[in-house]
Amino acid sequence: DAKTTQPTSMDCAEGRAANLPCNHSTISGNEYVYWYRQIHSQGPQYIIHGLKNNETNEMASLIITEDRKSSTLILPHATLRDTAVYYCIVRVRGGSQGNLIFGKGTKLSVKP
Amino acid sequence: EAQVTQNPRYLITVTGKKLTVTCSQNMNHEYMSWYRQDPGLGLRQIYYSMNVEVTDKGDVPEGYKVSRKEKRNFPLILESPSPNQTSLYFCASMTEGGSPLHFGNGTRLTVT
Repeated sequence: DAKTTQPTSMDCAEGRAANLPCNHSTISGNEYVYWYRQIHSQGPQYIIHGLKNNETNEMASLIITEDRKSSTLILPHATLRDTAVYYCIVRVRGGSQGNLIFGKGTKLSVKP
Repeated sequence: EAQVTQNPRYLITVTGKKLTVTCSQNMNHEYMSWYRQDPGLGLRQIYYSMNVEVTDKGDVPEGYKVSRKEKRNFPLILESPSPNQTSLYFCASMTEGGSPLHFGNGTRLTVT
């Protein structure tokens, strides 16, 4: 699976949109982009995933560049409860599911 | 309710005393995995299992054993725990088709 690069930390004002970038320049054509988050020491929580089209669900939006080498997770109206570590992962969907590499993620701090 | 259940949530033990951390999922998932999380190192995979009686090493398997005798259970065994195995452990599962990972709530292990 391709590697990802994320900023170590980001701040966001409460009520504003939080835009979390992820670089995955070595992504393969059949690899999906998945986003998870981990609040404090709880188990990581799935947020959203996509292949090449932009995706939106009740939690967030995922914007994937046309060349698929990077993506952005958007939390449209960040709240204090969105403070967490956000992980971007790329992996083949339906293929080998061995070692899912999480990396160190981005620590998002939402401030009042 | 669909969930991954780990027990215990907290465990304090002494060096060399064998222990088992249990993990059970009620979603009929084929794939199960164990991760450990340490400050500054992110989530690292210990072992994973693609199905019953099929297990394989992740990034940091030394000092750990697993078994997958039934689809729903994937226990993590520390035959002779050492202080460097003090960590936060997560079990996760997903379907073979590549659905998102579902995580348990974690087990905080301290080995003195």
